[in-house]
Amino acid sequence: GDSVTQMEGPVTLSEEAFLTINCTYTATGYPSLFWYVQYPGEGLQLLLKATKADDKGSNKGFEATYRKETTSFHLEKGSVQVSDSAVYFCALSGGSNYKLTFGKGTLLTVNP
Amino acid sequence: SQTIHQWPATLVQPVGSPLSLECTVEGTSNPNLYWYRQAAGRGLQLLFYSVGIGQISSEVPQNLSASRPQDRQFILSSKKLLLSDSGFYLCAWSEGIQSNQPQHFGDGTRLSIL
Repeated sequence: GDSVTQMEGPVTLSEEAFLTINCTYTATGYPSLFWYVQYPGEGLQLLLKATKADDKGSNKGFEATYRKETTSFHLEKGSVQVSDSAVYFCALSGGSNYKLTFGKGTLLTVNP
Repeated sequence: SQTIHQWPATLVQPVGSPLSLECTVEGTSNPNLYWYRQAAGRGLQLLFYSVGIGQISSEVPQNLSASRPQDRQFILSSKKLLLSDSGFYLCAWSEGIQSNQPQHFGDGTRLSIL
């Protein structure tokens, strides 16, 4: 079945540091890939998405590129802020199955 | 634009009491609807999903149930709550059955069982 593996963290960075959160997946066919962010005490918000190979999703300074050859969708940001502190979830939606498969989430803490 | 509402935001219930959590979506028709549970410090577990009125699929055996009495209303229920039902419950919706559509989440209900 489909699965998503992401670094579990926690990840602690200083403000303005470079961020990478790794995400790899296993799926049949051609899944769509997503990154969600969850701020403390809140629901999940869609951060970015990519629906086919080599697509780059971007939003709020975050980027992720759909790499079919390495089955990866790593999340990156060039300069993190304290307000980026949250849990980040990688997810995929595959084939005719419209259910999302989530990774376990990565807690990011950014210190001033 | 579409919005999703969940209530209540927080709930404290004794063991053995009933439960009803409600979720409504506005600004779209015939959405797919989902209930997730997130235990403290863990990922999301899909509990139920629905592709139409009265159509409910259960992902895990448990003492919870779901119903969809109207197109944009999704209810999570229990007749008798267990301690293990504590957690953060999230409702979500997505457009139709195309797999490239993201899910959009409500703000969640934090349920504590005493």
